[in-house]
Amino acid sequence: ELKVEQNPLFLSMQEGKNYTIYCNYSTTSDRLYWYRQDPGKSLESLFVLLSNGAVKQEGRLMASLDTKARLSTLHITAAVHDLSATYFCAVSSGGGADGLTFGKGTHLIIQP
Amino acid sequence: DVKVTQSSRYLVKRTGEKVFLECVQDMDHENMFWYRQDPGLGLRLIYFSYDVKMKEKGDIPEGYSVSREKKERFSLILESASTNQTSMYLCASRSLEGPDTQYFGPGTRLTVL
Repeated sequence: ELKVEQNPLFLSMQEGKNYTIYCNYSTTSDRLYWYRQDPGKSLESLFVLLSNGAVKQEGRLMASLDTKARLSTLHITAAVHDLSATYFCAVSSGGGADGLTFGKGTHLIIQP
Repeated sequence: DVKVTQSSRYLVKRTGEKVFLECVQDMDHENMFWYRQDPGLGLRLIYFSYDVKMKEKGDIPEGYSVSREKKERFSLILESASTNQTSMYLCASRSLEGPDTQYFGPGTRLTVL
């Protein structure tokens, strides 16, 4: 059974600081996804990581994947208030067509 | 832009009622999915469909069924709603070509009394 663990589950940080969210998964997977969810809204796709060593960046967010360690990280650089949201990682073991297994989410609050 | 719509944003039903949640996508996507989201549990996969007339059980299919008679529409059915099915239900779709990601609808918050 594929399990996905995120930590921390809750993070409060100040603007301008750097921090990392970790996502561990239990069995071999062929792709990993990061999503963002704002309160009362649906999920927005951030990154899809397809291979070992993959790194993707968008603005102040950077995601990486280590398939050998079964670990992905989402790094936030010089955080700003607009990045406050819940971040989910999700893993697929069936090429993406079989649905995703999600972590519980990291609730991120960035304070001025 | 990909658009995934769900028939209701909020729904209140009584225990034992049959409930239909509808999802429509406008991008000719082959794959469609139903998840439920509960606080502290993240999203969990209920059912998914590779294509028209096809359906597969996800991680928590008990108490649910689905229907996909047309490619753009994927329906989630609660045969006899129970209070433990009170939740946020999210539909998603994915193309076999193009960006490898699932596109999510706005969600239906279902309350079963």
